[in-house]
Amino acid sequence: GAVVSQHPSWVICKSGTSVKIECRSLDFQATTMFWYRQFPKQSLMLMATSNEGSKATYEQGVEKDKFLINHASLTLSTLTVTSAHPEDSSFYICSAYRAGGEKLFFGSGTQLSVL
Amino acid sequence: AQSVTQLDSQVPVFEEAPVELRCNYSSSVSVYLFWYVQYPNQGLQLLLKYLSGSTLVESINGFEAEFNKSQTSFHLRKPSVHISDTAEYFCAVSGGSDKLIFGTGTRLQVFP
Repeated sequence: GAVVSQHPSWVICKSGTSVKIECRSLDFQATTMFWYRQFPKQSLMLMATSNEGSKATYEQGVEKDKFLINHASLTLSTLTVTSAHPEDSSFYICSAYRAGGEKLFFGSGTQLSVL
Repeated sequence: AQSVTQLDSQVPVFEEAPVELRCNYSSSVSVYLFWYVQYPNQGLQLLLKYLSGSTLVESINGFEAEFNKSQTSFHLRKPSVHISDTAEYFCAVSGGSDKLIFGTGTRLQVFP
């Protein structure tokens, strides 16, 4: 099946620093990618929809200036958590949309811990 | 708007026992329903889905789920589980777009 690679799988950073998470579709082109966040014992919550070549669409309550999304190519979307704080500690997971057949493929997620 | 409720956060069972993972949804429009599985250190994988047609859908590894519109449920079942079925299972709903609304997940722990 199609593969989506997410990197890093685990990151620890100091409060106030920025962290970049990459999501790559390895064997298909993804015009649309989705970023989710999951807090412990809660649902995966959609943060934003990333469209290649255009601005991301953010869900209500998600700060676009804090969570910068770039989808510069058909195989790569990045999520940058700017000036991270402990409350941003969470599990972030991306998914990539492929036209035709089974459509959505997920990365393995990134556990972010902000100290 | 849609929402999904998975009432059981953890389900421990012994190997070869039957299991049911519960999922209820709410929606004001027609829905598509999904079950995803996440094995340790891996990404989410689609297990099965209901789009239309037969209300009973099956996966290749013995799981099945039945769409019950009157009870707004999409429970996942397997008559005999294996150790390898230990994973986190997520129920999800879509109103027709590619956006998925997920439940909180159910951790299935299979013991020998």
